[in-house]
Amino acid sequence: ETGVTQTPRHLVMGMTNKKSLKCEQHLGHNAMYWYKQSAKKPLELMFVYSLEERVENNSVPSRFSPECPNSSHLFLHLHTLQPEDSALYLCASSQVQGAGSGYTFGSGTRLTVV
Amino acid sequence: SQQGEEDPQALSIQEGENATMNCSYKTSINNLQWYRQNSGRGLVHLILIRSNEREKHSGRLRVTLDTSKKSSSLLITASRAADTASYFCATVPPGANNLFFGTGTRLTVIP
Repeated sequence: ETGVTQTPRHLVMGMTNKKSLKCEQHLGHNAMYWYKQSAKKPLELMFVYSLEERVENNSVPSRFSPECPNSSHLFLHLHTLQPEDSALYLCASSQVQGAGSGYTFGSGTRLTVV
Repeated sequence: SQQGEEDPQALSIQEGENATMNCSYKTSINNLQWYRQNSGRGLVHLILIRSNEREKHSGRLRVTLDTSKKSSSLLITASRAADTASYFCATVPPGANNLFFGTGTRLTVIP
């Protein structure tokens, strides 16, 4: 375990479903991130939260909705997804927002949209 | 684009050999980081090298940085089967607050 826990590990959902991905860290980090990893593509930064405030949203479709209720928890709410949204979704955290130190990643949620 | 590009895309070596992976990037950077990812898992931070550093070691890992050539290399000495994974470089351009990743090098170490 890295200190960043993601649930569920695997998720299969239909295009009309609504589901949520959860990320939890108890490292005392102040920044949390959602990345999308698709085959043969660089990791795509989706959302950045610093001290529970969203500081970056990289043109992500509105069918992805993040939520950060406190500095330890981060959610990604999903609705009416498309098959091309199938990917590994990775959560990460860092001491402060930015990259003065390394990021700690969770093990990811493998999402399949059918 | 701001992400690093790793080379080669795939590398296969015998256990005990050394593995060298390279990363090139386009803009100036504050630091460059290397990560490892086992199949289907999250990324694990290996080493961070700052723009004013030229070389860094951690156990069997050696990272070099040449800012004049905008390139970095990761050397794994005396490789083991457990080193089989994908390796990514990530850069932080000045003025940016987040990491940008490449597509990775897939390393296979044959026992």
